[in-house]
Amino acid sequence: SQQGEEDPQALSIQEGENATMNCSYKTSINNLQWYRQNSGRGLVHLILIRSNEREKHSGRLRVTLDTSKKSSSLLITASRAADTASYFCATVQGGSEKLVFGKGTKLTVNP
Amino acid sequence: NAGVMQNPRHLVRRRGQEARLRCSPMKGHSHVYWYRQLPEEGLKFMVYLQKENIIDESGMPKERFSAEFPKEGPSILRIQQVVRGDSAAYFCASSPQVFSGNTIYFGEGSWLTVV
Repeated sequence: SQQGEEDPQALSIQEGENATMNCSYKTSINNLQWYRQNSGRGLVHLILIRSNEREKHSGRLRVTLDTSKKSSSLLITASRAADTASYFCATVQGGSEKLVFGKGTKLTVNP
Repeated sequence: NAGVMQNPRHLVRRRGQEARLRCSPMKGHSHVYWYRQLPEEGLKFMVYLQKENIIDESGMPKERFSAEFPKEGPSILRIQQVVRGDSAAYFCASSPQVFSGNTIYFGEGSWLTVV
């Protein structure tokens, strides 16, 4: 069954604006990861946040994790056309070695 | 340091034929994972292997699909008697050890089209 569910399914913004994507999950997790996928390409790992962390930054990316609400958000600041891609959250459940992905948010950044 | 290498990148098969997808993990990585992505969907876990062992195949369809990771050579995902519903992107990932809490590295995928 799907663990992570991203919201919104699609997002279209102008260059320079911020983009926020949300992810909800159902069971307890060890960590939550965000990936990016350009059309027709593989997944690129963006950031990992552990279950005991609340916020993490990497360049223009900011990820938050609220384990009480079983949700995470990915913020991309000052977006660029090159940020156009699909973004997926993935969780690792306790005792498991498999990543469980959501359906993703398709982000379009218009120049 | 080469990344995870998958081939072929694109494969077209007629219904009933066999498809073989190969994955060479990153150097030094002994754990391999296969995922399938249907159009407009996220990735779905299929199987997790270590050298010569299948550790978790809970995501593999019961029939027609098999995977191996021999002592020498790449990991192989084999789909027998393909059907149109097998059309998807198949991604391989690898890690140097049990990866919980760490990062795994994905290949560029193999796109299978069944006609």
